[in-house]
Amino acid sequence: GAVVSQHPSWVICKSGTSVKIECRSLDFQATTMFWYRQFPKQSLMLMATSNEGSKATYEQGVEKDKFLINHASLTLSTLTVTSAHPEDSSFYICSARDPGTHPGTQYFGPGTRLLVL
Amino acid sequence: AQKITQTQPGMFVQEKEAVTLDCTYDTSDPSYGLFWYKQPSSGEMIFLIYQGSYDQQNATEGRYSLNFQKARKSANLVISASQLGDSAMYFCAMRAILTGANSKLTFGKGITLSVRP
Repeated sequence: GAVVSQHPSWVICKSGTSVKIECRSLDFQATTMFWYRQFPKQSLMLMATSNEGSKATYEQGVEKDKFLINHASLTLSTLTVTSAHPEDSSFYICSARDPGTHPGTQYFGPGTRLLVL
Repeated sequence: AQKITQTQPGMFVQEKEAVTLDCTYDTSDPSYGLFWYKQPSSGEMIFLIYQGSYDQQNATEGRYSLNFQKARKSANLVISASQLGDSAMYFCAMRAILTGANSKLTFGKGITLSVRP
């Protein structure tokens, strides 16, 4: 299957710092990428939908100024957690939709575990 | 609105036996796709199998098959010849197909499968 990479896989940071997570589709061009958050033993919660060259669409309750999303190219989307606080500690997963498959299968990155101290 | 229901508690299966993971759904979309993903303890979401609502045959991918019963709105995943590496959390998901690239995946709560040696 298609490969989506995510970097870094682990981040430990101090409260108040900003953290950037990169998501890349390695063998296809993704016009649409998605960012999810997952708490232990729970399902994935969609944070935002990212379209190349346009502003991201955020889900209700997700602070756009807190979670900055940039989709500057067809293979790269970034999520920046600004002024991170301990409650932002979570597992963040990106996903990219492969337009070359029917019906546009979504492939996921390996995830980033964020721990804010 | 779409809804995915996975109500089974943690599932256990003996190695080399088959296991069925249940998934029921609800949607008003005329055309939709159903997906199963596997999430091992490492956290990555691995795409397993896809079933389109208008597909005439049940999908199969290696040891995975999807028992799709449209009238019952169920899309159960069958894993044959279970292996120890199948121990993971399994998520059923769906999305509308005709509403464009931005249609969102709706996930169930997931089922934990443990394969016993």
